[in-house]
Amino acid sequence: AQSVTQLDSHVSVSEGTPVLLRCNYSSSYSPSLFWYVQHPNKGLQLLLKYTSAATLVKGINGFEAEFKKSETSFHLTKPSAHMSDAAEYFCVPLYNQGGKLIFGQGTELSVKP
Amino acid sequence: NAGVTQTPKFQVLKTGQSMTLQCAQDMNHEYMSWYRQDPGMGLRLIHYSVGAGITDQGEVPNGYNVSRSTTEDFPLRLLSAAPSQTSVYFCASSPQGAGGGYEQYFGPGTRLTVT
Repeated sequence: AQSVTQLDSHVSVSEGTPVLLRCNYSSSYSPSLFWYVQHPNKGLQLLLKYTSAATLVKGINGFEAEFKKSETSFHLTKPSAHMSDAAEYFCVPLYNQGGKLIFGQGTELSVKP
Repeated sequence: NAGVTQTPKFQVLKTGQSMTLQCAQDMNHEYMSWYRQDPGMGLRLIHYSVGAGITDQGEVPNGYNVSRSTTEDFPLRLLSAAPSQTSVYFCASSPQGAGGGYEQYFGPGTRLTVT
């Protein structure tokens, strides 16, 4: 079955330190992959997407993610966390089944001053 | 462009009442979908539509109906509300569904409480 696993339900970092949010997908073929961010009481905003072009994808607000087919991973990173990065992050593969998105359970990122 | 709009923002219903959550987009997107978001469960797909007149079920369709008479609108109907339907509902749209890597654009959400 096609699915996605976000390996950490909660990540806490200090401001100015690196961020790593982990995502693994399962599939017999490479899907398109997205990272969305949701700030408290807000809708979802696209951070970045991978669509089989460059494996290192840069997104908004200094985030980037690297697609590794051999590891079926698409981890999200940022070199230096900012307080405004505190939010929930969703790794989302898009499989060719009517274009349905399959959401992970999300990773809540906390940033300490 | 207003993007994806949803009304109402908040709603409280009593068990057994019916209501319609409205969703509209002004981007001429073919693909529209409804999700519900519950704590610890991410977003789950309720229903989706790949174009006017075409709808299909997602992961959790029970208790919900949809129709798509125009490209712009995709209302979600709760025929007889139950406390288990207390959730935050998001509508999303995309230029097309399958392939192409198109991102989905999300509305701001409707927070529904059923007592």
